Amino acid sequence: AQSVAQPEDQVNVAEGNPLTVKCTYSVSGNPYLFWYVQYPNRGLQFLLKYITGDNLVKGSYGFEAEFNKSQTSFHLKKPSALVSDSALYFCAVREGGGNKLTFGTGTQLKVEL
Amino acid sequence: NAGVTQTPKFRVLKTGQSMTLLCAQDMNHEYMYWYRQDPGMGLRLIHYSVGEGTTAKGEVPDGYNVSRLKKQNFLLGLESAAPSQTSVYFCASNRPGVPYEQYFGPGTRLTVT
Repeated sequence: AQSVAQPEDQVNVAEGNPLTVKCTYSVSGNPYLFWYVQYPNRGLQFLLKYITGDNLVKGSYGFEAEFNKSQTSFHLKKPSALVSDSALYFCAVREGGGNKLTFGTGTQLKVEL
Repeated sequence: NAGVTQTPKFRVLKTGQSMTLLCAQDMNHEYMYWYRQDPGMGLRLIHYSVGEGTTAKGEVPDGYNVSRLKKQNFLLGLESAAPSQTSVYFCASNRPGVPYEQYFGPGTRLTVT
């Protein structure tokens, strides 16, 4: 079965510094990988996806993610963090060829002044 | 467009009581999902539907029932609530062939005492 792991429960970053939120995956076949963000008291919002093509994918709000097949990783990155980026971030993988997603446990990002 | 809406936003139940959570979407999406979100466990799929009149079990279906009588509505029922069902419940929907772009509702916070 497909799965994703987010090894960090929380990541703290100073505003203006680069940020990385880690995700590793385990799939059979080609991975379809996604990042979602959840702001307080809100539902999840889609950020970006990797299906095929360039290993560096760009998404909303200046976020990008790097797909690394040899390391089975799909880390979320942003060159310069903002306080408003503080939120809960979820990595997800598509199950098989269907429409279901399996989500990681989430990483709380805190960006401080 | 309202997107995905959920009713109610908050609810407190006593053990053994029943209730129904309503999810409605106005995007004409075929696929709809019910998730529960618990601290440290991410999102887990309860039930889902690939079209009007169809439902299927997800990862954690026990204690829940669902119905999809109309394309725009997806109902989640708890017949006899238990404290283990205290959680935040999210509904989501998407178009066929675009599994990663799931649109989430704002959530329902349910407490079972």
